[in-house]
Amino acid sequence: EDQVTQSPEALRLQEGESSSLNCSYTVSGLRGLFWYRQDPGKGPEFLFTLYSAGEEKEKERLKATLTKKESFLHITAPKPEDSATYLCAVQETSGSRLTFGEGTQLTVNP
Amino acid sequence: DAGITQSPRHKVTETGTPVTLRCHQTENHRYMYWYRQDPGHGLRLIHYSYGVKDTDKGEVSDGYSVSRSKTEDFLLTLESATSSQTSVYFCAMGREVSTEAFFGQGTRLTVV
Repeated sequence: EDQVTQSPEALRLQEGESSSLNCSYTVSGLRGLFWYRQDPGKGPEFLFTLYSAGEEKEKERLKATLTKKESFLHITAPKPEDSATYLCAVQETSGSRLTFGEGTQLTVNP
Repeated sequence: DAGITQSPRHKVTETGTPVTLRCHQTENHRYMYWYRQDPGHGLRLIHYSYGVKDTDKGEVSDGYSVSRSKTEDFLLTLESATSSQTSVYFCAMGREVSTEAFFGQGTRLTVV
């Protein structure tokens, strides 16, 4: 069965303090790994898809990387508006559903 | 530019009553999904659809049914609501199975 574990559960940073969020996964065959951002009371907002080990994607202050067992979401010089819960999900090659982790709640203080 | 909308956004219902949640998309995406989100469990797939009248079960489908009579609409029905179905429900759409899914704003359902 697919498993996705995100760490830490919660992370508090000062504005400008860079850090990384981790997503460890177990799947029989990876079709894709997805990162989402979720603000309170809203639906998840798509950020990135990674398909193969070694792949990297960037968007503003966010950079996602992928290895065969985990993905990292690097946040460079975060701002308070980056505060949100970040969700990781995997899709295996034989299925169509996404298996989500429980998320990392990021708080960036000014 | 929502592209996908859910209704209602909030609902309180009594145990034992049927409830239908609606998801409407304007992007002509083939795939549509219903998830529930609960503390300690994250997002879990209830049912999904890969075309008009084509649906399949997810990991937590017991007590739920779905219908898709048109590309743009995907309905989730709780046949007889129970307190364990109190949750936030999200609908999502995707162009193809391997592409990203875009989520609606969610429906907060409370079963009393």
